[in-house]
Amino acid sequence: AQSVTQLDSHVSVSEGTPVLLRCNYSSSYSPSLFWYVQHPNKGLQLLLKYTSAATLVKGINGFEAEFKKSETSFHLTKPSAHMSDAAEYFCVVSVLSGGTSYGKLTFGQGTILTVHP
Amino acid sequence: DAGVIQSPRHEVTEMGQEVTLRCKPISGHDYLFWYRQTMMRGLELLIYFNNNVPIDDSGMPEDRFSAKMPNASFSTLKIQPSEPRDSAVYFCASSPFRGLYNEQFFGPGTRLTVL
Repeated sequence: AQSVTQLDSHVSVSEGTPVLLRCNYSSSYSPSLFWYVQHPNKGLQLLLKYTSAATLVKGINGFEAEFKKSETSFHLTKPSAHMSDAAEYFCVVSVLSGGTSYGKLTFGQGTILTVHP
Repeated sequence: DAGVIQSPRHEVTEMGQEVTLRCKPISGHDYLFWYRQTMMRGLELLIYFNNNVPIDDSGMPEDRFSAKMPNASFSTLKIQPSEPRDSAVYFCASSPFRGLYNEQFFGPGTRLTVL
């Protein structure tokens, strides 16, 4: 069975410092992985996705993530945090839904990022 | 494109009442999803449709919940009768078909409070 684990429920950084949000996945085959962001009282927005084309994936707003098969990880990073980055972030794995060729998304529990001035 | 549209954005109702949530997916998307988000359980998939046909409703909590998609541009999630434990944010999402590498586009959600 496929699953995803976000290792930190809360991360707090100062503005201008690096951001690291950790995610490990479990999959019996090469997965498709995503990071979504949810700002307060908003829907989820796609930050970036891994589709096996390249292990380092660049997303919106300066975020990037590196797929490491040997470590089964897909950590999200940003060199310099901005106040507007404060939100909840979800690591997501795509699972082929039984009997179909469509990937059903399985969400991690989320990491709340707080950015201090 | 306006994105996924959900209505109402907020709903407050009393226990026992019927609640209907509505969703308009992005035009051209073949898949539509209903999710529920709570502090305790996180984000849960309730049901999803492909070309207006329900494919997997294993996440629907009980018979009080039902979902329909009468056409490609409209879906409803109904709770009858509603209970306080149904209080949550309900999201609708839609997606084109891209196999394993699908990206889902989420609506802004409906915050439901059942008193």
